[in-house]
Amino acid sequence: AQRVTQPEKLLSVFKGAPVELKCNYSYSGSPELFWYVQYSRQRLQLLLRHISRESIKGFTADLNKGETSFHLKKPFAQEEDSAMYYCALATGNQFYFGTGTSLTVIP
Amino acid sequence: GAVVSQHPSWVICKSGTSVKIECRSLDFQATTMFWYRQFPKQSLMLMATSNEGSKATYEQGVEKDKFLINHASLTLSTLTVTSAHPEDSSFYICSARVRGSTGELFFGEGSRLTVL
Repeated sequence: AQRVTQPEKLLSVFKGAPVELKCNYSYSGSPELFWYVQYSRQRLQLLLRHISRESIKGFTADLNKGETSFHLKKPFAQEEDSAMYYCALATGNQFYFGTGTSLTVIP
Repeated sequence: GAVVSQHPSWVICKSGTSVKIECRSLDFQATTMFWYRQFPKQSLMLMATSNEGSKATYEQGVEKDKFLINHASLTLSTLTVTSAHPEDSSFYICSARVRGSTGELFFGEGSRLTVL
């Protein structure tokens, strides 16, 4: 069963516009959720995790247990934000990734 | 931060040969490492979870005899693609979790396998 769903495979926004990358999860326990980012020709790296409730590179993500969502948001997109973004759910010893959303910020 | 290193970063081999890819945690111990396969412009596909000192747990559809995983120490896991075929050509990525942690994964830089 798909535990993490990212409905948008591709997302394009203009520079300076707000951006939201959607992520929904399926898990009955207490989830631990992450957003990972992969810039062109670089390895995957952690962007943020829900338990730290911090803002990284202007991105924030709030866990909504009622909607089982963990959407990633940024009020003003920058060109350097263009990358592949993966939502991930950790349950015990397992890590599940969504299918990823490729974000393109148009200058 | 924690560093995970993969070797080789790129390997080309003939069809029918076997290729070994190493994944090392350089500055931390990892009881669990994960192996992923990534197709061009596609998502990560979890292949298996590698546990130090025990057998790997393979995801459904992944041939365990084809993709041999060995996690011999707390800092090294290896993936061997046996009798490689052109359809095995892909980008293989490993990740590791700090021992005792339930937190983030640290990723290797990936290994590109091309089977001729």
